[in-house]
Amino acid sequence: DAGVIQSPRHEVTEMGQEVTLRCKPISGHDYLFWYRQTMMRGLELLIYFNNNVPIDDSGMPEDRFSAKMPNASFSNLKIQPSEPRDSAVYFCASSFRAQGRREQFFGPGTRLTVL
Amino acid sequence: ILNVEQSPQSLHVQEGDSTNFTCSFPSSNFYALHWYRWETAKSPEALFVMTLNGDEKKKGRISATLNTKEGYSYLYIKGSQPEDSATYLCAFTGNQFYFGTGTSLTVIP
Repeated sequence: DAGVIQSPRHEVTEMGQEVTLRCKPISGHDYLFWYRQTMMRGLELLIYFNNNVPIDDSGMPEDRFSAKMPNASFSNLKIQPSEPRDSAVYFCASSFRAQGRREQFFGPGTRLTVL
Repeated sequence: ILNVEQSPQSLHVQEGDSTNFTCSFPSSNFYALHWYRWETAKSPEALFVMTLNGDEKKKGRISATLNTKEGYSYLYIKGSQPEDSATYLCAFTGNQFYFGTGTSLTVIP
């Protein structure tokens, strides 16, 4: 398996634009997580899905952020409109069964810069 | 938001030295404790997942212990090598997932 795939790897956009980050989890994994890494707050969980259903989105910073998982092999995280403070590295991770008791496999991350 | 604290924040050791760091977490609603290794410009990689009080895990020169009653886990590296330089993250899973801010280890050749 190719591991967790994220695209794009880098995104530079202007304030106010819509940003879409994409993730393909490892085949067969039934949990998918979106994280944001910043210098100030470290690694923060934004939202996670189980069997394509959002379970906990309490980490999503505000209504400008939304995430969907239309099927088991794809998820996207959208920011609309984007702001400079959204600049961060966004990681997607997936794991298999036993929520919390199996390791998560992380994608390479998307580095987002909002000008 | 729960507090998952790691100490020290950063550490510099000489090659060959053994070292250890700590992850403290809430002792209530415990589900699992994860350790990840995160090299610069890469993504976190799982080292261990521990679920039972008293668990000890080992992978090569790296080992970890877990005390769920008092809410801490130790990560040990025996005979540190330059390639061990990375940030070591712990994550507590209870009702949610919380990562600590990590311990940055630099092994000086």
